[in-house]
Amino acid sequence: DGGITQSPKYLFRKEGQNVTLSCEQNLNHDAMYWYRQDPGQGLRLIYYSQIVNDFQKGDIAEGYSVSREKKESFPLTVTSAQKNPTAFYLCASTIVSTGSGELFFGEGSRLTVL
Amino acid sequence: AQKITQTQPGMFVQEKEAVTLDCTYDTSDPSYGLFWYKQPSSGEMIFLIYQGSYDQQNATEGRYSLNFQKARKSANLVISASQLGDSAMYFCAMRGRNSGNTPLVFGKGTRLSVIA
Repeated sequence: DGGITQSPKYLFRKEGQNVTLSCEQNLNHDAMYWYRQDPGQGLRLIYYSQIVNDFQKGDIAEGYSVSREKKESFPLTVTSAQKNPTAFYLCASTIVSTGSGELFFGEGSRLTVL
Repeated sequence: AQKITQTQPGMFVQEKEAVTLDCTYDTSDPSYGLFWYKQPSSGEMIFLIYQGSYDQQNATEGRYSLNFQKARKSANLVISASQLGDSAMYFCAMRGRNSGNTPLVFGKGTRLSVIA
């Protein structure tokens, strides 16, 4: 079945460690996105990519990095520079088109810093 | 820049009743799209309904309808005949269509609780 796979679903990290969250899609979508969700908050954009080998910063990119070497993959690295990384991370994708362009989401990765 | 405001942090509704979740937006784009998503406790985001700013009729999808009032810049979600499974967080979002497939901007959400 087509969809977006995020892994791991749960991740624990010690302070000072970098961690990488995986996001893979087999929907042949052009654009991919990373959002962060904190309790009681909406989704805030970290990074997005509309084409392979290109990506743009979102509203809260500090302390994060991404790559887009393949169309189907958009991993997010949470670096030690991120001051408060404990959150729920959602990856999404969509076709670049003139249609409604709704986002399709993965099931999310919950990161806890110990 | 776009902005979404959801003023109801939480709502309660009796099973089988209808409920309206409020959403107001702000944008300078002449053309834009409005979205509603549902997030159950499992965390996944489920797309519910879409309304284009130039669509002549309000969008409907099964028990979901979008009450779009362009002059008031509001895009309220109406859920008819509420079910226990409708208990979830609901997010309103928008994108300026002129911007191509730029990211969606989300509101802070409304937690809906359906009471038996």
